[in-house]
Amino acid sequence: AQKVTQTQTSISVMEKTTVTMDCVYETQDSSYFLFWYKQTASGEIVFLIRQDSYKKENATVGHYSLNFQKPKSSIGLIITATQIEDSAVYFCAMREDTGGADRLTFGKGTQLIIQP
Amino acid sequence: GGIITQTPKFLIGQEGQKLTLKCQQNFNHDTMYWYRQDSGKGLRLIYYSITENDLQKGDLSEGYDASREKKSSFSLTVTSAQKNEMAVFLCASSTRDWGTYEQYFGPGTRLTVL
Repeated sequence: AQKVTQTQTSISVMEKTTVTMDCVYETQDSSYFLFWYKQTASGEIVFLIRQDSYKKENATVGHYSLNFQKPKSSIGLIITATQIEDSAVYFCAMREDTGGADRLTFGKGTQLIIQP
Repeated sequence: GGIITQTPKFLIGQEGQKLTLKCQQNFNHDTMYWYRQDSGKGLRLIYYSITENDLQKGDLSEGYDASREKKSSFSLTVTSAQKNEMAVFLCASSTRDWGTYEQYFGPGTRLTVL
């Protein structure tokens, strides 16, 4: 069975700095997909970025990027030039192919607090 | 683009009551999901459906029923609400078209049981 672990429960950084959130995963699949989601204070969950395991390049979208270290089964989320509105809970997730559908296994989340 | 709507936004029930939550999506996605999120916790999968009239149990299906009468809608029923239960129920949808896979979420239904 797949497993996704986020060990950082809460991180606090100053605005305009760079922050990295950690995520490690376990899977038996040779090809897999990893995702990061953001949950705002209102409860809204938004898809941020995705990494395909067969791609060597780290994914980048806006001021979000990933640090994919396949030998370590690690997929860190990096946010550069943080803004107050980046304060949220961030979830790491892995896709599981059940044969006919896709399930996501989520980590427990990391709360990010951006201080002015 | 598309949107997922969930009704009601807030649901207050009594212990033992049967409660139904509804979800609609206009992405034309094949797969729909129901998750439960307890305060300060992660998401746990209750049910999912890969097409109309299909149902697959997730990790937390006991105490719930689901129904997918048409592609765009997915309902979840709490069969017997538990006293002091409080949680947010999130609906999501996804497709395999174009190798996308990512799930898109609705705004949630907040359940309180008195």
